[in-house]
Amino acid sequence: GDQVKQSPSALSLQEGTNSALRCNFSIATTTVQWFLQNPRGSLMNLFYLVPGTKENGRLKSTFNSKESYSTLHIRDAQLEDSGTYFCAGENTGGADRLTFGKGTQLIIQP
Amino acid sequence: EAAVTQSPRSKVAVTGGKVTLSCHQTNNHDYMYWYRQDTGHGLRLIHYSYVADSTEKGDIPDGYKASRPSQENFSLILELASLSQTAVYFCASSDDWVYEQYFGPGTRLTVL
Repeated sequence: GDQVKQSPSALSLQEGTNSALRCNFSIATTTVQWFLQNPRGSLMNLFYLVPGTKENGRLKSTFNSKESYSTLHIRDAQLEDSGTYFCAGENTGGADRLTFGKGTQLIIQP
Repeated sequence: EAAVTQSPRSKVAVTGGKVTLSCHQTNNHDYMYWYRQDTGHGLRLIHYSYVADSTEKGDIPDGYKASRPSQENFSLILELASLSQTAVYFCASSDDWVYEQYFGPGTRLTVL
């Protein structure tokens, strides 16, 4: 099965609302990264996390290694937040790799 | 100025032909990676490198070779392109293994 499961797979939000995206890990994960792929296909690194919380503007992310999940909160969603959000976990089981989830497609409606 | 660039940005290749994708970074990073992305999926690691003149296999290396002639440049080579290698290919760099990765704009490869 998938080692990194993202939910929801797709989401549509009204501009100005808040939301949370989630990533669950089925194997031991030491660090997490969140990326945004914009509609043109470019990938941007949003967060690199060890267990704990980071905040950047309207975005806030938490990584709970004991319960094997990470969340990305988007506050006051804007049109430019549209795109696909990927989480990736650094896994210690077997080869030390970044394993990506399949992404959450987020559409912000005006 | 983009710190990780890729060329070409798109390419159409014929089955059995040779394809070379190039990546250049100005981040002064030791680590470079090649990933592929298939529609509706996340990224999968093909090859990576942590020093010039050395490359390592990732999770899906079959059918691909890599070359790291300098710290700044990392190439992905498909000696005999196949239909199943149609995908978008991303190059990335980082200061340390798996640490914050910075991606190039991607290369869309279509094999016919």
